[in-house]
Amino acid sequence: GAVVSQHPSRVICKSGTSVKIECRSLDFQATTMFWYRQFPKQSLMLMATSNEGSKATYEQGVEKDKFLINHASLTLSTLTVTSAHPEDSSFYICSARDPRAYGSYEQYFGPGTRLTVT
Amino acid sequence: AQSVTQPDIHITVSEGASLELRCNYSYGATPYLFWYVQSPGQGLQLLLKYFSGDTLVQGIKGFEAEFKRSQSSFNLRKPSVHWSDAAEYFCAVGGRDDKIIFGKGTRLHILP
Repeated sequence: GAVVSQHPSRVICKSGTSVKIECRSLDFQATTMFWYRQFPKQSLMLMATSNEGSKATYEQGVEKDKFLINHASLTLSTLTVTSAHPEDSSFYICSARDPRAYGSYEQYFGPGTRLTVT
Repeated sequence: AQSVTQPDIHITVSEGASLELRCNYSYGATPYLFWYVQSPGQGLQLLLKYFSGDTLVQGIKGFEAEFKRSQSSFNLRKPSVHWSDAAEYFCAVGGRDDKIIFGKGTRLHILP
């Protein structure tokens, strides 16, 4: 099956710094990737849809200048949390849809990145 | 509005007992329905999905779910749970625009 990886799995950064999270599709090319945020003991909230070669589409209420998304290639999307603050601490999960699975609307999820801002 | 409701925040069952996790959805078009499982600190694993066809869907780990359009439900079932099934379970609905909306999740506890 399709595999999605994320790096790093855990990151601790100081308030005011920026941190980049990578999402890779390992065995397929993903024209579309998705970024989710999950607060402790809560559900996943879609932050943005990342399209290769174009600007990301952000969900309402998500600050696009704080959460920069770049989908530079068909296998890599990055999420950069700029000027991080403690309230940005969360579990960030990416997903990708495998275009080879025509008619399938399944998304393959990465293992997640735990961000802690001190 | 598109939404997913999982009415049970926590469920506790004894090992070997049967399980049913409830899920109701609201979706304006033909829904694509999913059940995911998440272990603590981990990503999501797809248990099963429904796109069309047979309304009783078989998944991995012995799970199944039944799509009932008239009730807008997609309940997850397992005839006999194992201690390793303890986790968080998410029901989700999506559509042609590729967005997936998740329910708030149900945490399953297993009694020995």
